[in-house]
Amino acid sequence: AQSVTQLGSHVSVSEGALVLLRCNYSSSVPPYLFWYVQYPNQGLQLLLKYTTGATLVKGINGFEAEFKKSETSFHLTKPSAHMSDAAEYFCAVTLDTGRRALTFGSGTRLQVQP
Amino acid sequence: NAGVTQTPKFQVLKTGQSMTLQCAQDMNHNSMYWYRQDPGMGLRLIYYSASEGTTDKGEVPNGYNVSRLNKREFSLRLESAAPSQTSVYFCASWGYTEAFFGQGTRLTVV
Repeated sequence: AQSVTQLGSHVSVSEGALVLLRCNYSSSVPPYLFWYVQYPNQGLQLLLKYTTGATLVKGINGFEAEFKKSETSFHLTKPSAHMSDAAEYFCAVTLDTGRRALTFGSGTRLQVQP
Repeated sequence: NAGVTQTPKFQVLKTGQSMTLQCAQDMNHNSMYWYRQDPGMGLRLIYYSASEGTTDKGEVPNGYNVSRLNKREFSLRLESAAPSQTSVYFCASWGYTEAFFGQGTRLTVV
């Protein structure tokens, strides 16, 4: 069975600062990894995903994440935070086999200070 | 394309009432899912359906039933709602390499 740990339930950064949201996973086989963003009272929007191939993945809104198998990590970064990035972010994992149901982390709420 | 459509968007129930949450997808996907989202817990899988006529329990199935009526539709039923079922419910379907989510149903049980 797979699991996901997101370190830090709340992260606060200043506008223009680096955003780093941490995600570690456990999986017995190579996983598919995802980052989702959720704005208040909205649904989930896919930011980016890793399935196979290049380990550095670029997503929407300037975000990117790097799959590091040796560290079982998939941290989300953005060089310069905008006020509009304030939201909750979820890391998720699944396997390319079986039910393919996503296992989610508990989420990280990003606050961007002016 | 509508993608994954959930109805209703909001619902308030009294304890003991029943209701069905509807979900339909128009992407011809085989696999469909129901999740619930609670503060600080991310999304948790309630039920899963690999294809029409098949369903399987997820992490938190107690108090729920599901029905995969056809390839498009996957409904979630609360037979006797409890306050612990107050949550936001998301339906999803699995495409080639990613899940597609509906906009959610915010359910409050009083």
